[in-house]
Amino acid sequence: EPEVTQTPSHQVTQMGQEVILRCVPISNHLYFYWYRQILGQKVEFLVSFYNNEISEKSEIFDDQFSVERPDGSNFTLKIRSTKLEDSAMYFCASMGDGYQPQHFGDGTRLSIL
Amino acid sequence: GDSVTQMEGPVTLSEEAFLTINCTYTATGYPSLFWYVQYPGEGLQLLLKATKADDKGSNKGFEATYRKETTSFHLEKGSVQVSDSAVYFCALSTDSNYQLIWGAGTKLIIKP
Repeated sequence: EPEVTQTPSHQVTQMGQEVILRCVPISNHLYFYWYRQILGQKVEFLVSFYNNEISEKSEIFDDQFSVERPDGSNFTLKIRSTKLEDSAMYFCASMGDGYQPQHFGDGTRLSIL
Repeated sequence: GDSVTQMEGPVTLSEEAFLTINCTYTATGYPSLFWYVQYPGEGLQLLLKATKADDKGSNKGFEATYRKETTSFHLEKGSVQVSDSAVYFCALSTDSNYQLIWGAGTKLIIKP
């Protein structure tokens, strides 16, 4: 069965550094999402991407965050200048159409020191 | 805004016990409802879903019925196993953008 894959599984970064989290969605999917889960808290929506542009973003997704789909297969989340509070598990998801569920990757654990 | 409320955990049961994890929601429109499961050290996996009122989602012995009148989507299983130990998330999505709105998650611990 096709899977969403995320790399790296764990990223440790110094505060203030840029970080790029990578995702390869399922190949024929059209909708792409990033969520995050701070340890011990609920999963939160960050951003959705459809038709090569952001379709919606949450208030968490400020100017420090950006997403790209650079080559038609990868879907990346960039945090420009990381803060301690960005430490979380980041999940990528993709979906074929509005009638299907979202499929998730295993997540990237981001630790900011 | 739209929201999901789940019973707090952890829920600790003995093997073969009956499981109920409560989930209620608030939403404008007609959301789709989901249960996702997160096993230790793993990602989020879809367990079951329901897209309209009175639909019953089922998978791996788990069931949940979309109850519009009580705005609920409670997860049930007749006989749990140790391997069911995980965190269970209730979530909804609406037609606009399909983003998932999540409950806080309920940790389930099954003792042999």
